[in-house]
Amino acid sequence: RKEVEQDPGPFNVPEGATVAFNCTYSNSASQSFFWYRQDCRKEPKLLMSVYSSGNEDGRFTAQLNRASQYISLLIRDSKLSDSATYLCVVNEGGTYKYIFGTGTRLKVLA
Amino acid sequence: DTGVSQDPRHKITKRGQNVTFRCDPISEHNRLYWYRQTLGQGPEFLTYFQNEAQLEKSRLLSDRFSAERPKGSFSTLEIQRTEQGDSAMYLCASSWGQGEETQYFGPGTRLLVL
Repeated sequence: RKEVEQDPGPFNVPEGATVAFNCTYSNSASQSFFWYRQDCRKEPKLLMSVYSSGNEDGRFTAQLNRASQYISLLIRDSKLSDSATYLCVVNEGGTYKYIFGTGTRLKVLA
Repeated sequence: DTGVSQDPRHKITKRGQNVTFRCDPISEHNRLYWYRQTLGQGPEFLTYFQNEAQLEKSRLLSDRFSAERPKGSFSTLEIQRTEQGDSAMYLCASSWGQGEETQYFGPGTRLLVL
């Protein structure tokens, strides 16, 4: 089993749609969780950290389920500019080594 | 621009040659990371530094790869005797540490080994 797994997509959704991505991780000792966004041929940039209680930033909501070892990202009211690859990132339990998933590609269609 | 910078941005080399990449992190950041990314994959961890100390190195990294961060400032990544399989984007990232783990990435160095 991969340390961090994501559905590579692509997810093709119309503007205004709600879309959700899941990411599973294998190390139960992991403590830090993030979603990064990567545009084509650009470097990754932090979208949001994921906290135990869940957190929201505008149209984006992140959730953590420690029991099932997955994190999720919900995007509401999708915009064309949301088209990108979304990378799930998890630390290797107790360390500052970070494992990235393969990314989930999102295309928002007009 | 006070972000993470990397040099060169592109490198084409012949198999068997040595290459060296440089990363300048955000000045007050004490952690520095190197990753490798190939098409359709997420960044793959290579190594990281806390100040000048190299704290972890991926077991996937062969002996041909070495990284340094003298004086805890800029870092270099050297690949000796390059192979075609080394062709990838090499990304550097830095973070403040001190409880703040957000990583800021540089634009990357794209390596092509012919």
